[in-house]
Amino acid sequence: EAGVVQSPRYKIIEKKQPVAFWCNPISGHNTLYWYLQNLGQGPELLIRYENEEAVDDSQLPKDRFSAERLKGVDSTLKIQPAELGDSAVYLCASSLGSRVSEDTQYFGPGTRLTVL
Amino acid sequence: QKEVEQDPGPLSVPEGAIVSLNCTYSNSAFQYFMWYRQYSRKGPELLMYTYSSGNKEDGRFTAQVDKSSKYISLFIRDSQPSDSATYLCAMTSYGNKLVFGAGTILRVKS
Repeated sequence: EAGVVQSPRYKIIEKKQPVAFWCNPISGHNTLYWYLQNLGQGPELLIRYENEEAVDDSQLPKDRFSAERLKGVDSTLKIQPAELGDSAVYLCASSLGSRVSEDTQYFGPGTRLTVL
Repeated sequence: QKEVEQDPGPLSVPEGAIVSLNCTYSNSAFQYFMWYRQYSRKGPELLMYTYSSGNKEDGRFTAQVDKSSKYISLFIRDSQPSDSATYLCAMTSYGNKLVFGAGTILRVKS
């Protein structure tokens, strides 16, 4: 069974440019997460979807970040405009159920963003 | 002060050694505790899951939770070079997001 798929794996952009990341979760997984992982740090939640609904976006910087999960499957995370401090790894994860504390989250390999 | 503290290492041990990895936390509401392993250029993968206090064993891995001390540990017996990775602790209370530690880099030398 395929795991969580993310693309692109690497992205280098100039500051103030837009960038988008794509995630395809494990088939049948209703809950999808986007995390930010800075170098030498653990992942930090940006947004959590249950099907199409964003149920926790309290950590998403909404002035420049946006996300969508149309049809409750694939998801896209966008940054516009990108800043130097956005350089990090963006991880997508999915779980079968919606119980954050009990349902295993399966992570993709991440997209490594470098903003110059 | 961070909610979850974890020594970043790196921790370097010879093959076959027993490894002890630890996290401390400040939020007494945390009841669910996890350990993730993350290889370079990969996403984290769940290793161990523990609810509340106590021990849990799975093969060469043992997870311990001491809620009275707000301290959790992961022990790896007979460590192998393939165990070289970053180990992240994570924890949460019911219905809330996972809070991760910064991760400890482990290097097992053959």
